[in-house]
Amino acid sequence: AQSVSQHNHHVILSEAASLELGCNYSYGGTVNLFWYVQYPGQHLQLLLKYFSGDPLVKGIKGFEAEFIKSKFSFNLRKPSVQWSDTAEYFCAVKPANAGGTSYGKLTFGQGTILTVHP
Amino acid sequence: SQTIHQWPATLVQPVGSPLSLECTVEGTSNPNLYWYRQAAGRGLQLLFYSVGIGQISSEVPQNLSASRPQDRQFILSSKKLLLSDSGFYLCAWSLQGRGEKLFFGSGTQLSVL
Repeated sequence: AQSVSQHNHHVILSEAASLELGCNYSYGGTVNLFWYVQYPGQHLQLLLKYFSGDPLVKGIKGFEAEFIKSKFSFNLRKPSVQWSDTAEYFCAVKPANAGGTSYGKLTFGQGTILTVHP
Repeated sequence: SQTIHQWPATLVQPVGSPLSLECTVEGTSNPNLYWYRQAAGRGLQLLFYSVGIGQISSEVPQNLSASRPQDRQFILSSKKLLLSDSGFYLCAWSLQGRGEKLFFGSGTQLSVL
C-alpha cells in the first residue's frame, strides 16, 4: 500500500518569504500526485495535481510543485507567500491508471499548517 | 453548481453511544461518495467509498459503517462509539470516472468522551 509523509507539521513565514513544503511518498508503481489546501473556515480543495508529462506543475494562486521520481517527492513551492496563504496543506497520492472504484482513493499525508505573518 | 452539505459541524458523544453523520450532495447525479477521517496528528484516511446506491466498500476494519440510501446521500454510523473514534470526519464526492478531483464537505469534529 502507498503512504505519504509530509516533513513539517507547522511552518511559520513572513510575507514575501519563499515557501517549500516537503512531501515524500512510497509506492512501487506509477502514481498520481495532489496537493490539497484548506483555508480557515473553508472546505478542503484541490490546489494542483500531477498525472504525467512535465514534472513541474502549476496550480492556483501562484503555487507549483515538482515531481522528482527518483526521490519519490512532490514538494510544493511558492516564490513569495502572502498572508492569505495561511492554511493547512495536504499532499496526497493515488496509484495511476486505477479505474473503476479505485477513483478517489487518495492516500493523504499528515498535513502541514502554514502560518504567514503580515 | 454542485454543493456538498455535511452535518453536524461538531459533536461530543459519550463512549458507547450511537453515531450518525450525514452528507448530501446537490447539483450532480450518481457521484462517487467517500468518508475520510483525520485523527489527531495523522493524515486523512479513507474509511468508505460508494459508487452507487447501496454499494459500500470499506477500506479499513473498524467500529463504523456507512450507508447510501439515496443517490446523493451518504451516512456514517456507529452502534457504539469508542474513544478511538474521535477525529475529524470529511465527506467527499467526485464525478464518476473523474475521481482524481475530490470535492470535500466542511467536516465534522467528533469528540468521544
